[in-house]
Amino acid sequence: LAKTTQPISMDSYEGQEVNITCSHNNIATNDYITWYQQFPSQGPRFIIQGYKTKVTNEVASLFIPADRKSSTLSLPRVSLSDTAVYYCLVGDTGFQKLVFGTGTRLLVSP
Amino acid sequence: GAGVSQSPSNKVTEKGKDVELRCDPISGHTALYWYRQRLGQGLEFLIYFQGNSAPDKSGLPSDRFSAERTGESVSTLTIQRTQQEDSAVYLCASSLAGEVSSNEQYFGPGTRLTVT
Repeated sequence: LAKTTQPISMDSYEGQEVNITCSHNNIATNDYITWYQQFPSQGPRFIIQGYKTKVTNEVASLFIPADRKSSTLSLPRVSLSDTAVYYCLVGDTGFQKLVFGTGTRLLVSP
Repeated sequence: GAGVSQSPSNKVTEKGKDVELRCDPISGHTALYWYRQRLGQGLEFLIYFQGNSAPDKSGLPSDRFSAERTGESVSTLTIQRTQQEDSAVYLCASSLAGEVSSNEQYFGPGTRLTVT
């Protein structure tokens, strides 16, 4: 069964860059890597998705090394409103299932 | 446009009763997902529908759980003989067609189930 692990929590200050890494050793060849943000009492919200190398959108960047066994979500210049839990999501090798990472609770302070 | 909606938003039931949770996906989204999130915990994948078909039901926690989808639209998650361990928020998401991991999912607000 696929397993994805993330740091439990991270602390940062406004204006800093935050990098959150997810380990997904069993990712399948055709699986994508997706990151979601979740605020309390809300459903997760899509941040970014990638397959390999680097992807950038208006809110984040996603770095995926050649072996694809990990990925790093990069949030540039975080603000207080970025305080949330961040999850990576990958497919489960050989199955029609998905596995969320353990989640990283990011706290941004003034 | 309208997002994913779920009903009821809250459900309190007695242990042993059956419950039905409903999900209305975004119109045109052929993929639909159910997840469970226990209090303070991460997201647990339950089942995925492509159209009206669920390729793999092994993510359902026990045989008390079942799910169906009709008309490539509404989906129902049924829990029979509820147990206190079933207490959680049940989240539904939908996405455009594609591989199970390749699409942006849009989540509903969830149904908070409390089993007393």
